[in-house]
Amino acid sequence: KQEVTQIPAALSVPEGENLVLNCSFTDSAIYNLQWFRQDPGKGLTSLLLIQSSQREQTSGRLNASLDKSSGRSTLYIAASQPGDSATYLCAARDGPHLFGNEKLTFGTGTRLTIIP
Amino acid sequence: DAGVIQSPRHEVTEMGQEVTLRCKPISGHNSLFWYRQTMMRGLELLIYFNNNVPIDDSGMPEDRFSAKMPNASFSTLKIQPSEPRDSAVYFCASTQGQDYNSPLHFGNGTRLTVT
Repeated sequence: KQEVTQIPAALSVPEGENLVLNCSFTDSAIYNLQWFRQDPGKGLTSLLLIQSSQREQTSGRLNASLDKSSGRSTLYIAASQPGDSATYLCAARDGPHLFGNEKLTFGTGTRLTIIP
Repeated sequence: DAGVIQSPRHEVTEMGQEVTLRCKPISGHNSLFWYRQTMMRGLELLIYFNNNVPIDDSGMPEDRFSAKMPNASFSTLKIQPSEPRDSAVYFCASTQGQDYNSPLHFGNGTRLTVT
């Protein structure tokens, strides 16, 4: 059974710093790895999706990497801003493939606070 | 695009009462998922539908939980009778089915409190 872990559970950094969030998974046979953002009282918003054949994906100040062999993914946030404060969750998608997202296993998230 | 719409946003009920949560997926999405989120267990998939048909309900905790999708634009999750341990945030999500690289779109959730 796939297990996804995110450490630390909470992180505070000053505004403007670059930071890395970590995600590890136990079963490397994944189809993709997704990163989500969750604001308080809201649902999850998809940020980046890395397919199993890819090493990284970038969107603006966000860069996500994937190392299947070591069971690790990282989310790099450049030049952090107070608006980046949220909980960030990663999710590993297992097979076999029937439909799109039924085999997503979520981590419990890292609560990020950017200090102005 | 209004996104995934859930109602109510908050529900407070007494143990033993019936609770019905509602979801309207994004138009054109043919896969719908119900998740439950708690501090202890994180996000758990309860059930998912494809083309209105329940595909896998193995995540439904017990027979007190049931879900329906009578048409492509509406789904319900019912708990009868409710118990305090059902207190959680329940999310509905939708996506294009068969495209496993299609992002999952979540609603804002229903926060359920059972006293």
